[in-house]
Amino acid sequence: EVQLVESGGVVVQPGGSLRLSCAASGFTFDDYAMHWVRQAPGKGLEWVSLISWNGATTYYADSVRGRFTISRDNSKNSLYLQMNSLRTEDTALYYCAKVRVGGYYYWPLDSWGQGTLVTVSS
Amino acid sequence: HSVLTQPPSASGTPGQRVTISCSGSTSNIGTNTVHWYQQLPGTAPKLLIYSTNQRPSGVPDRFSGSKSGTSASLAISGLQSEDEADYYCAAWDDSLTGPVVFGGGTKLTVL
Repeated sequence: EVQLVESGGVVVQPGGSLRLSCAASGFTFDDYAMHWVRQAPGKGLEWVSLISWNGATTYYADSVRGRFTISRDNSKNSLYLQMNSLRTEDTALYYCAKVRVGGYYYWPLDSWGQGTLVTVSS
Repeated sequence: HSVLTQPPSASGTPGQRVTISCSGSTSNIGTNTVHWYQQLPGTAPKLLIYSTNQRPSGVPDRFSGSKSGTSASLAISGLQSEDEADYYCAAWDDSLTGPVVFGGGTKLTVL
């Protein structure tokens, strides 16, 4: 059974930094591209970033490009999101998610974690 | 605002058939397949329909998807109370907006 467990969400001040982690199990992690998707309180889903199975290719939403960095450690079956220069509008539940098909497929997502809450507030 | 446009709400009575629309453009729905996610209250999203009209294992055949031009639809037949949830369409986008775009979500109420 696929399991994705996010961690690292806390309350942080505007301008601060944070690193989110996602521990994966139940599938061959290094075969699959992975994504981060966020959901602000009471709002819809917003795509954040994706990384290819080998980490060679990354994409970012305009709203986070230049501030967030996605990475992965296949030896640890882990996905990360380094978040810098945080803004109040980054407050959200952050989900990591797995792509449905392995290899060079980047989309769609078929398994999601339960999310970790990031609150940016002074 | 979202790149893909969905009605904010929809409703139906048990047993009814309801449809949820998703409007996009040539760079997303017009060129690529559409996927639908169901988010029950307090839970993570779940893949409901992929590649426009394919159901993952375990998803009832009451759920179906279709696409025409730059618009897509999710249909739910034989509506049940447990279908009350938020529904999101999503697609790959070939423009600078992308690469992944979601609709704003539709809250389905079973009356």
